[in-house]
Amino acid sequence: DAKTTQPNSMESNEEEPVHLPCNHSTISGTDYIHWYRQLPSQGPEYVIHGLTSNVNNRMASLAIAEDRKSSTLILHRATLRDAAVYYCILRDPLLNDMRFGAGTRLTVKP
Amino acid sequence: DGGITQSPKYLFRKEGQNVTLSCEQNLNHDAMYWYRQDPGQGLRLIYYSQIVNDFQKGDIAEGYSVSREKKESFPLTVTSAQKNPTAFYLCASTKDRAGNQPQHFGDGTRLSIL
Repeated sequence: DAKTTQPNSMESNEEEPVHLPCNHSTISGTDYIHWYRQLPSQGPEYVIHGLTSNVNNRMASLAIAEDRKSSTLILHRATLRDAAVYYCILRDPLLNDMRFGAGTRLTVKP
Repeated sequence: DGGITQSPKYLFRKEGQNVTLSCEQNLNHDAMYWYRQDPGQGLRLIYYSQIVNDFQKGDIAEGYSVSREKKESFPLTVTSAQKNPTAFYLCASTKDRAGNQPQHFGDGTRLSIL
């Protein structure tokens, strides 16, 4: 099954953009790229997903490399409430399972 | 509002005891999942079910059992065979097996050993 690699932790200043990278060099043609975030003692929250094209929603933007071997979650203006663990996951529609890695812990400094 | 309800929020188990964690969803989702999360770690898949009366083992199914008798319910039993059950357990669901469907999560059950 395809796996993802993310940095263990990142820091950002409040009000500045944040770029969270994810490598997925073994991605298959049918895998969707999903991002979730998790606050302490809560379940993960869906952020965004994409297949080939870049995606935008009210929470974030997702930039997908042309070869799809990597992607970047972009928070345009980080707030203190964005401090969380961010997970990048590949979703295989044929297997219908989702496997989470350790994610990236984002710290936002005021 | 539609969502996923996990109960109880906190659960304590005695040695040699089986306990069952509840997960109910009113989102009319076909697929449901159980994950385990240890402190400072990511989520690990225990079991998942794509449809009623069908389920598959995930990466760490040993010591756990599930049932899917109703579409809206996917209870997880932590058996006495699970020697290290202390963890945060999360239930999730998706509308169907399509890859573009996001997962919806409950608020979790924290299980501890007495």
